[in-house]
Amino acid sequence: DAKTTQPPSMDCAEGRAANLPCNHSTISGNEYVYWYRQIHSQGPQYIIHGLKNNETNEMASLIITEDRKSSTLILPHATLRDTAVYYCIVRVSYGSEKLVFGKGTKLTVNP
Amino acid sequence: EAGVVQSPRYKIIEKKQPVAFWCNPISGHNTLYWYLQNLGQGPELLIRYENEEAVDDSQLPKDRFSAERLKGVDSTLKIQPAELGDSAVYLCASSLRRGQGRDEQFFGPGTRLTVL
Repeated sequence: DAKTTQPPSMDCAEGRAANLPCNHSTISGNEYVYWYRQIHSQGPQYIIHGLKNNETNEMASLIITEDRKSSTLILPHATLRDTAVYYCIVRVSYGSEKLVFGKGTKLTVNP
Repeated sequence: EAGVVQSPRYKIIEKKQPVAFWCNPISGHNTLYWYLQNLGQGPELLIRYENEEAVDDSQLPKDRFSAERLKGVDSTLKIQPAELGDSAVYLCASSLRRGQGRDEQFFGPGTRLTVL
């Protein structure tokens, strides 16, 4: 079973920030938080990951709470091409372990 | 850099027929994964290879599914015989172990199988 809880769907206006929440209250100290997204008819795409600190890359920012029990993925200026299912995944990373996907959040960016 | 290549992209077969899917991972990636994705669900791992060794095949239905990665590069997933419930998208992914969370997986576009 997936170790994360995400809302099934969210809407966002184009150009605005999209904030996608994820709860992972049973996360262990050696588990990372990963975010992937899946655009329709494509394979999942890696977005970002983090352990404790907030992270930012060219695609998004990841905010992890101090107790690490929840996180938020932020797309600062959502575009129509960001419409996708977003998956929050927790896993260890000292091996090439499998990703355990839940159902994710279907983000719809509206014009 | 070329991504993960899968073929065919779509396959329609009748039940009880055999079917095979092919995957070529990103060059140099030693770990290869096959995932199954049912409609409306997230992908689920079928099998994971480290080079040519299958290190996790616990979710592979071995009565009808088989996989191989003979030279530790490309891989084939086979179903024989196919059943109606096998209709799904079959995804291949690869990764390069770098540690510290940096071994993200790169996915191919998948093969959509329809069993009639």
